Amino acid sequence: SQQGEEDPQALSIQEGENATMNCSYKTSINNLQWYRQNSGRGLVHLILIRSNEREKHSGRLRVTLDTSKKSSSLLITASRAADTASYFCATAIMEYGNKLVFGAGTILRVKS
Amino acid sequence: DGGITQSPKYLFRKEGQNVTLSCEQNLNHDAMYWYRQDPGQGLRLIYYSQIVNDFQKGDIAEGYSVSREKKESFPLTVTSAQKNPTAFYLCASSLGRGQINEQFFGPGTRLTVL
Repeated sequence: SQQGEEDPQALSIQEGENATMNCSYKTSINNLQWYRQNSGRGLVHLILIRSNEREKHSGRLRVTLDTSKKSSSLLITASRAADTASYFCATAIMEYGNKLVFGAGTILRVKS
Repeated sequence: DGGITQSPKYLFRKEGQNVTLSCEQNLNHDAMYWYRQDPGQGLRLIYYSQIVNDFQKGDIAEGYSVSREKKESFPLTVTSAQKNPTAFYLCASSLGRGQINEQFFGPGTRLTVL
């Protein structure tokens, strides 16, 4: 069963605009992670936020976590054409063992 | 140059054949994972291993088998019992040791059944 679900499924923006992707999940988590995947490639880890954290930054990325709403958002500021990719959230749940549960992803297209 | 490698990049299989996908890491990670990705979908966990000589089934283990004889290697065999094996297969590793850390992914193997 899918724990994390991303919204929207697809997003198309102009270069320079901000992109926001959301992730909702169902059960309590240990941490939540965001990954990026370029077409036909492996995933690349972007950022990890723990259940006791509310916000985290990494370069142009900002991640928030609201455990009361069981949701997270990923904001990419000043987007570039090179940001075009699929973005996945993954939840880490201790009861599931040492593994992650991935959502279906958001496809981001940044037009130049 | 540390990382995780998968081979081959493309693999073609005839119906009824078993095929083995290779995954090697030199990151000294304890945990390794195999995922399947179908078009437009997220990753589904096939098998994972937290330590040498031990592994557990994931959500879609039927028709697959694995071994973990060495820390660096976690090969996946797609057997003839897997009815719809055409997919993109991703291997990953993480530090493990009781923590749910970030995972490092290989470049993937695209398997096509002819």
